[in-house]
Amino acid sequence: ETGVTQSPTHLIKTRGQQVTLRCSSQSGHNTVSWYQQALGQGPQFIFQYYREEENGRGNFPPRFSGLQFPNYSSELNVNALELDDSALYLCASSLTANEQFFGPGTRLTVL
Amino acid sequence: GEDVEQSLFLSVREGDSSVINCTYTDSSSTYLYWYKQEPGAGLQLLTYIFSNMDMKQDQRLTVLLNKKDKHLSLRIADTQTGDSAIYFCADLTGTALIFGKGTTLSVSS
Repeated sequence: ETGVTQSPTHLIKTRGQQVTLRCSSQSGHNTVSWYQQALGQGPQFIFQYYREEENGRGNFPPRFSGLQFPNYSSELNVNALELDDSALYLCASSLTANEQFFGPGTRLTVL
Repeated sequence: GEDVEQSLFLSVREGDSSVINCTYTDSSSTYLYWYKQEPGAGLQLLTYIFSNMDMKQDQRLTVLLNKKDKHLSLRIADTQTGDSAIYFCADLTGTALIFGKGTTLSVSS
């Protein structure tokens, strides 16, 4: 059984640019959640997708958007990047509401 | 909003027991979790407890839940150097996990 994978591992962008991060869910999992983890902090919930529909959103501005595809893989898009967007972005997939399994994360640096 | 708090650091000797504590504010929590994060890695789900339980044991891990005081603890028996990591307590609120800031566990030999 393949776990949750994310790409890329690292990337560097400049302020004002746009970025797309990708996540492949664990086999059979129909729900994906995205979290932002700033340095020295716990992860913060961005949003969740269930069967291609947004199913909950945290306190993040609209420039954070997402997609879930029919194969349950997912993208996180961030527009108009700001310095404070520098963080580790984690996705988690789940089949039942109470078990979320995380990928290794994408480290985003905004200069 | 809902909040989860943890102590930031814990240092123990190899072979001792470690106890990591957490408090939360959400009175309607259904599940509470412990995740482990090693340097440069994602989060590993260690264990979780349903809110109507007060204890769960899983090999070296024991979770205690005091729902009245909204207090959760994780005990690691016979702590090993490989247990050195950051441990996060989390609370499931709706569809979102609400995390504490993490407790850094340092194990010395």
